[in-house]
Amino acid sequence: DGGITQSPKYLFRKEGQNVTLSCEQNLNHDAMYWYRQDPGQGLRLIYYSQIVNDFQKGDIAEGYSVSREKKESFPLTVTSAQKNPTAFYLCASSIGRLREQYFGPGTRLTVT
Amino acid sequence: KNEVEQSPQNLTAQEGEFITINCSYSVGISALHWLQQHPGGGIVSLFMLSSGKKKHGRLIATINIQEKHSSLHITASHPRDSAVYICAVSIAGNQFYFGTGTSLTVIP
Repeated sequence: DGGITQSPKYLFRKEGQNVTLSCEQNLNHDAMYWYRQDPGQGLRLIYYSQIVNDFQKGDIAEGYSVSREKKESFPLTVTSAQKNPTAFYLCASSIGRLREQYFGPGTRLTVT
Repeated sequence: KNEVEQSPQNLTAQEGEFITINCSYSVGISALHWLQQHPGGGIVSLFMLSSGKKKHGRLIATINIQEKHSSLHITASHPRDSAVYICAVSIAGNQFYFGTGTSLTVIP
């Protein structure tokens, strides 16, 4: 079955630790995205990548980093510089720019 | 200022009712998307449209480009339709803007 997987579903970390969220897709999509969802707010774009080895900052990139070494993988690292990292993180992919997006199941990160 | 506004924020309906969720946007768009998010958090894309109307089962999405407005209709609503419905727009430069969602509860 084609789709997007994110792991783990729930993640707990201590403040000051970096943490990496996994996102893998087998849809052969070129574009991949990371969003953050907070209660009462719309999804906000953290980073996106249109091709391998290239990525662009979204609206709230500070405190986050990404890599795109393989077409199917787009991991997100939440660094200790991110002031308020507790949130629900969603990864998505699309076949190209501005096309329909397919979303992963999300990772709920809690930092204490 | 939000580029995408949805109404209502919350909606409770009796099973069988006809439901309408509205979305207004303030920017020039390439396409408008309706998404469904279930309590577990996963999001499914329902429609992508840039003009006119699309129908899939009991769901209908319409868009009026001149008025910068879209509606999502659910006919013969069912408890399994209970979810958060999110309107999003895609604009040039690979940007997407999302509404805050409409939380729908359908009571048996």
